[in-house]
Amino acid sequence: GAVVSQHPSRVICKSGTSVKIECRSLDFQATTMFWYRQFPKQSLMLMATSNEGSKATYEQGVEKDKFLINHASLTLSTLTVTSAHPEDSSFYICSGRTGTEAFFGQGTRLTVV
Amino acid sequence: QQQVKQSPQSLIVQKGGISIINCAYENTAFDYFPWYQQFPGKGPALLIAIRPDVSEKKEGRFTISFNKSAKQFSLHIMDSQPGDSATYFCAASGGGGFKTIFGAGTRLFVKA
Repeated sequence: GAVVSQHPSRVICKSGTSVKIECRSLDFQATTMFWYRQFPKQSLMLMATSNEGSKATYEQGVEKDKFLINHASLTLSTLTVTSAHPEDSSFYICSGRTGTEAFFGQGTRLTVV
Repeated sequence: QQQVKQSPQSLIVQKGGISIINCAYENTAFDYFPWYQQFPGKGPALLIAIRPDVSEKKEGRFTISFNKSAKQFSLHIMDSQPGDSATYFCAASGGGGFKTIFGAGTRLFVKA
């Protein structure tokens, strides 16, 4: 299957700072990428859908000013958590779509202290 | 609302047994039904997927059964092994949109 690389795998940041998470499709071009958030022992919750070269579409209840998404190229999308707070601590996962199949990154464990 | 309902929430199976996880969907526009396997601290990995034009798909020990009229599909893991212990998510997508809608997940534990 196609490979999606997500970086970093773990990050700890201080409350009030910003954190950027990168998602790269290594062997395919992802015109659409998705960002998910997963709480412990729960399912993946879609946060936003990003299309290359256009603004991301956020799901209801997701603060677009807090979770900035950039999809500048067909192989790279970034999620920036701005002014992070402890409640933003979670597992963030990106996904790139090729055709009908979606392939997921390894996830990023964000801990805000 | 687009939903995918998954059961059971957790499952314990003896080694060598059959693990069965069930899902039901509401949106008849869905046309792609993947199953994902997730280990702790890792992203989901595509396990097997099916389209509604077939009733069954088998890949190794993993089989998807699909019932279009009932809007249900299930994952069967034959000869379950301790290494299969993970969380399994069913999902659905299609209908003109690109979102993948996930079920709640099933935590499978295979006893040695």
